[in-house]
Amino acid sequence: DTAVSQTPKYLVTQMGNDKSIKCEQNLGHDTMYWYKQDSKKFLKIMFSYNNKELIINETVPNRFSPKSPDKAHLNLHINSLELGDSAVYFCASSQGQYENIQYFGAGTRLSVL
Amino acid sequence: RKEVEQDPGPFNVPEGATVAFNCTYSNSASQSFFWYRQDCRKEPKLLMSVYSSGNEDGRFTAQLNRASQYISLLIRDSKLSDSATYLCVVNIHKLIFGQGTTLQVKP
Repeated sequence: DTAVSQTPKYLVTQMGNDKSIKCEQNLGHDTMYWYKQDSKKFLKIMFSYNNKELIINETVPNRFSPKSPDKAHLNLHINSLELGDSAVYFCASSQGQYENIQYFGAGTRLSVL
Repeated sequence: RKEVEQDPGPFNVPEGATVAFNCTYSNSASQSFFWYRQDCRKEPKLLMSVYSSGNEDGRFTAQLNRASQYISLLIRDSKLSDSATYLCVVNIHKLIFGQGTTLQVKP
């Protein structure tokens, strides 16, 4: 049983398209995150939700919109995709917002052509 | 200056070697510290937390020096399976990841 699962695993799309990535965790955690890992391997937090409430919103273009329908799900919608959006996007979860240990999904490799 | 800095490597070592990774962080308000491990094309996974008193988990020893804002990871008796990227992570109300140090253990 995968604890944090995200779909799709790979996403190849054209510039200007809109796409979504889904994430689900079955750990009963309250807090979920989206990270972006670029080609230089830096892993940076984008958003964090605690019990469906947005608690971290880094400087991310507003083309990126997270949605948390319930505390087990955190989806990421990206409008008007750009070449620079190509990266690996990781979803993660933790017991609570002050919990240090985070569990990551396998990642979604997004390639924008 | 990056918030968390690591030598990206790669470190190429023979099996059985002892290897040490270092990391510095810029924010003295950092609250907690970790090493995560990321295998090629995989997700990061927690390796161990880091405490000022130093802590050990089998062949792995982590150390924190708050005064110098410096974190280290020592791996003894390297195994082929230790080949991965080791991410230094600092918590300042959110996790800040270093770029990672790549280790390649050769037979």
